[in-house]
Amino acid sequence: AQKITQTQPGMFVQEKEAVTLDCTYDTSDPSYGLFWYKQPSSGEMIFLIYQGSYDQQNATEGRYSLNFQKARKSANLVISASQLGDSAMYFCAMRSSLDNTDKLIFGTGTRLQVFP
Amino acid sequence: NAGVTQTPKFRILKIGQSMTLQCTQDMNHNYMYWYRQDPGMGLKLIYYSVGAGITDKGEVPNGYNVSRSTTEDFPLRLELAAPSQTSVYFCASSERGIQETQYFGPGTRLLVL
Repeated sequence: AQKITQTQPGMFVQEKEAVTLDCTYDTSDPSYGLFWYKQPSSGEMIFLIYQGSYDQQNATEGRYSLNFQKARKSANLVISASQLGDSAMYFCAMRSSLDNTDKLIFGTGTRLQVFP
Repeated sequence: NAGVTQTPKFRILKIGQSMTLQCTQDMNHNYMYWYRQDPGMGLKLIYYSVGAGITDKGEVPNGYNVSRSTTEDFPLRLELAAPSQTSVYFCASSERGIQETQYFGPGTRLLVL
């Protein structure tokens, strides 16, 4: 069965510091995609970053990078130079090529709070 | 280009009432999804559609129905609302492919009393 695990219910980080949000996954599919979404208090789901299982390089998007360790089945999100506006829920999600629905499987999320 | 739109934004229902949550996308995506998000939890798939006229159940379909008569629209019907259906409902759409981003609507907050 496919599963996403986020073990950190909440994280605190000081403004301008870096923070790592953990995500581990379980799948038997050799081809899959990993996503991170941000959900601010306003409720919308905002796509942040994508990593493909066959990608050789770790994905980066501005201040976001994905620390992809395939053998350990982990896909941690690193936010550099945290800003107050980064305070939000963060969800890790996976999509598998074995599943022709292309649906996303979500973790339970991590609430990040950035303090001055 | 509005992306994915959902109406209403918020609704209170009494137990046993029915309603339809509307979802429209203007990106010509074949794949569309309905998720629900319970407090403090991730999203769970209710129903999905891989094209007009084709729908199928997701992880938590009980108490819901969908239809997909056009590429753009994917309404979710709640029959006989129950308190357990109090949740935030998200509609999403995407192209086919594991690398394709799934775009979400703003969500509908539903309270069943």
